[in-house]
Amino acid sequence: SQKIEQNSEALNIQEGKTATLTCNYTNYSPAYLQWYRQDPGRGPVFLLLIRENEKEKRKERLKVTFDTTLKQSLFHITASQPADSATYLCALANYNQGGKLIFGQGTELSVKP
Amino acid sequence: DAGVIQSPRHEVTEMGQEVTLRCKPISGHNSLFWYRQTMMRGLELLIYFNNNVPIDDSGMPEDRFSAKMPNASFSTLKIQPSEPRDSAVYFCASSLRLDYYNEQFFGPGTRLTVL
Repeated sequence: SQKIEQNSEALNIQEGKTATLTCNYTNYSPAYLQWYRQDPGRGPVFLLLIRENEKEKRKERLKVTFDTTLKQSLFHITASQPADSATYLCALANYNQGGKLIFGQGTELSVKP
Repeated sequence: DAGVIQSPRHEVTEMGQEVTLRCKPISGHNSLFWYRQTMMRGLELLIYFNNNVPIDDSGMPEDRFSAKMPNASFSTLKIQPSEPRDSAVYFCASSLRLDYYNEQFFGPGTRLTVL
């Protein structure tokens, strides 16, 4: 069955360091992958989208990579700040499922000052 | 735009009661999604609509769950009768079109507690 796995344990890093979050998938051929941020008590907020034919996408301090051979996406936050502390969700969709997204469980990131 | 609006924000009810959750998508968005989030199962897609028509309801857990979208600006998710295992946060999201590259905009969620 289709499976999406994100780091199950919380990631704790020091302010200024680069945070790297992982999203692995099996039995799935996604057309694209999205990353969302979720703060406690709020709905997820879209951050970045990367297509299957793109290796890397950047937006300000954020960088996403997509390796369809490894079936993995990495999400990086450079020069991390305490305000980056949140849960980060990856979501996948393939061509024949329209806009239907399958979400990972999310990874909680904590950036300490 | 105010974003996706959901009501109520919190709902506490007793087992067996009917629960109705409401959602107003962003104006101009053609697709609407209902999700449920729990610690154990994460964020699960329940059902989604395109141009007010249900496209895929395979995520609806049981016949006790039903959803409607009578017009482009309103949708409901109903649970009848409710059970304690339905306790979760229910999110509504909308997107401009039902394309795989469209981002989804989520509402603040409804926290449902069934006693």
